[in-house]
Amino acid sequence: DAKTTQPTSMDCAEGRAANLPCNHSTISGNEYVYWYRQIHSQGPQYIIHGLKNNETNEMASLIITEDRKSSTLILPHATLRDTAVYYCIVKPTGNQFYFGTGTSLTVIP
Amino acid sequence: GAVVSQHPSWVICKSGTSVKIECRSLDFQATTMFWYRQFPKQSLMLMATSNEGSKATYEQGVEKDKFLINHASLTLSTLTVTSAHPEDSSFYICSSRRLAGLYEQYFGPGTRLTVT
Repeated sequence: DAKTTQPTSMDCAEGRAANLPCNHSTISGNEYVYWYRQIHSQGPQYIIHGLKNNETNEMASLIITEDRKSSTLILPHATLRDTAVYYCIVKPTGNQFYFGTGTSLTVIP
Repeated sequence: GAVVSQHPSWVICKSGTSVKIECRSLDFQATTMFWYRQFPKQSLMLMATSNEGSKATYEQGVEKDKFLINHASLTLSTLTVTSAHPEDSSFYICSSRRLAGLYEQYFGPGTRLTVT
């Protein structure tokens, strides 16, 4: 699976958009970009995933660059409950999930 | 979304004893389940892949005789930590994979194991 690089931590003001970047420069054509988050002492929660097109659901938007070497997860209006560790994982469908260190997002009142 | 449960949510045991953790897929059949371990302030580490009706596949460095996995039905996988030691204290998380769905894996809430 392709390696991902994420910033260790980020802050975001409550009500503002949170933009979480992820670099995956070695991504292969059959690898999807998945985003999960983990709130303290809970299991990871699925957010969104995509292959090459931008995706949006009720939780977030996923923007994937045209060359697919990086992506950005956007939480449009961050709330205090969005404080969590966000994991970007790149893998072919069907493979196991291997988690990196993720980005610790703190939403500030 | 799909629900995966774990039992117990937390457990304290004495060193040398064995502890069993259950992972149940509540609303779909899971031919494959995964077990993760997470130490404080660290990321999740995949321990093993559990396949219904066959032997589990362990990741490198994970002792299969210490962490016994049984996946006897399509909705239940169990992880038994045998002869537990304080260094086995961790947060254990399972996930279930559904072949058809929005996002392959659904994670349980985790089990906090403390070995005294």
